[in-house]
Amino acid sequence: EVQLLESGGGLVQPGGSLRLSCAASGFTFSNYDMTWVRQAPGKGLEWVSSVTTSGSSTYYADSVKGRFTISRDNSNNTLYLLMDSLRAEDTAVYYCAKLVAATGTVDWGQGTLVTVSS
Amino acid sequence: QPVLTQSSSAFASLGSSVKLTCTLSSGHSSDIIAWHQQQPGKAPRYLMKLESSGSYNKGSGVPDRFSGSRSGADRYLTISNLQSEDEADYYCETWDSNTRVFGTGTKVTVL
Repeated sequence: EVQLLESGGGLVQPGGSLRLSCAASGFTFSNYDMTWVRQAPGKGLEWVSSVTTSGSSTYYADSVKGRFTISRDNSNNTLYLLMDSLRAEDTAVYYCAKLVAATGTVDWGQGTLVTVSS
Repeated sequence: QPVLTQSSSAFASLGSSVKLTCTLSSGHSSDIIAWHQQQPGKAPRYLMKLESSGSYNKGSGVPDRFSGSRSGADRYLTISNLQSEDEADYYCETWDSNTRVFGTGTKVTVL
């Protein structure tokens, strides 16, 4: 059974930083591209960032480009999202998810809440 | 990059059917999409992949009453024999070489 367990969320002040982690199990982590998707309170889903299997290629939404960094550790089956220069509008539940080529976002974690507020 | 358009809400009676629409933007009418369900207070759940041909492949455990179809740039999710647990938000998703996009979501209310 695929399991994706996010951690690292919490309350942070505007301009601060936070690193999210996602521990993956139940599948061969290094074989799949991975992604982060967020959902602001009462809003829809917003793609944030994706990374290829080796970590060599990364992609970002314009709203986070230059502030967020996605990375992965295939030896420890863990996905990361380093978030710098956080803004109030980054407040959201952040989901870690597994991508399957030509299929979409197939498996989702339970999410971790990030609140940016003074 | 592609844009996905969904209506904001849909209403249907218990035991009836509802058909949700996701429209792909110009130039992307042949794209593959995925449908996701998000029940209140829960994480999203993958329902199916829907090809430009109209064929679809459902995720593990997705009930038979969920099906997909297409017409031109429109992609449909039909829920038959609507159940109370189907009351949820439904999102479509597509992607290109370096971005992913979600539709704005349709809230389904079971009457």
